[in-house]
Amino acid sequence: SYVLTQPPSVSVAPGQTARITCGGNNIGSKSVHWCQQKPGQAPVLVVYDDSGRPSGIPERFSGSNSGNTATLTISRVEAGDEADYYCQVWDNSSDHWVFGGGTKLTVL
Amino acid sequence: QVRLVESGGGVVQPGRSLRLSCAASGFTFSTYGMHWVRQAPGKGLEWVAIISYDGSNKYYADSVKGRFTISRDNSKNTVYLQMNSLRAEDTAIYYCAKGGIAVAESLGDYWGQGTLVTVSS
Repeated sequence: SYVLTQPPSVSVAPGQTARITCGGNNIGSKSVHWCQQKPGQAPVLVVYDDSGRPSGIPERFSGSNSGNTATLTISRVEAGDEADYYCQVWDNSSDHWVFGGGTKLTVL
Repeated sequence: QVRLVESGGGVVQPGRSLRLSCAASGFTFSTYGMHWVRQAPGKGLEWVAIISYDGSNKYYADSVKGRFTISRDNSKNTVYLQMNSLRAEDTAIYYCAKGGIAVAESLGDYWGQGTLVTVSS
């Protein structure tokens, strides 16, 4: 089955840029979506189809996808961005949706 | 606005059954696929199942295939998850999430708040 690999944690100072990666075999050929989950809350979609941004999501959130790595970029990081972030794709070889293991973003 | 409200969670003994429901509002329910996603305590998100807009296509995670059944009633704007032969490892918060028009299109542009299922003797 298809595997998505994320770093367990990323730390960044306020105002800096955070980059969270999601690795998968030829992931660039798939559409990658990202969700944010704050403690005790349901997930929220922050990027869809590699780089789309849902209504209400700040422009500071952006995405890219090429080769074997997709990246969620959060510019001008704020304390309120501290959360777990998950990438997800549809694997058409198994007819399964797949989540990455999640990355905890810590704002120093 | 879009709203998804799960219900039916609780404490159940291993080997028993439970049915979860998710009532949807704020969008044309019969046009979109619907997902169930779960999260075990302190763990990450795990996709469980998806049902297409008309119920004709259903896909399951390997961990639940043969034990869980997803269904929907478009007249009631509700999606269900019938969980049989429950195991301790099924203990989790279960979320329903709105999908796309096609099953491969989207997972979770909207999510419910979740319902807790605890499998314990």
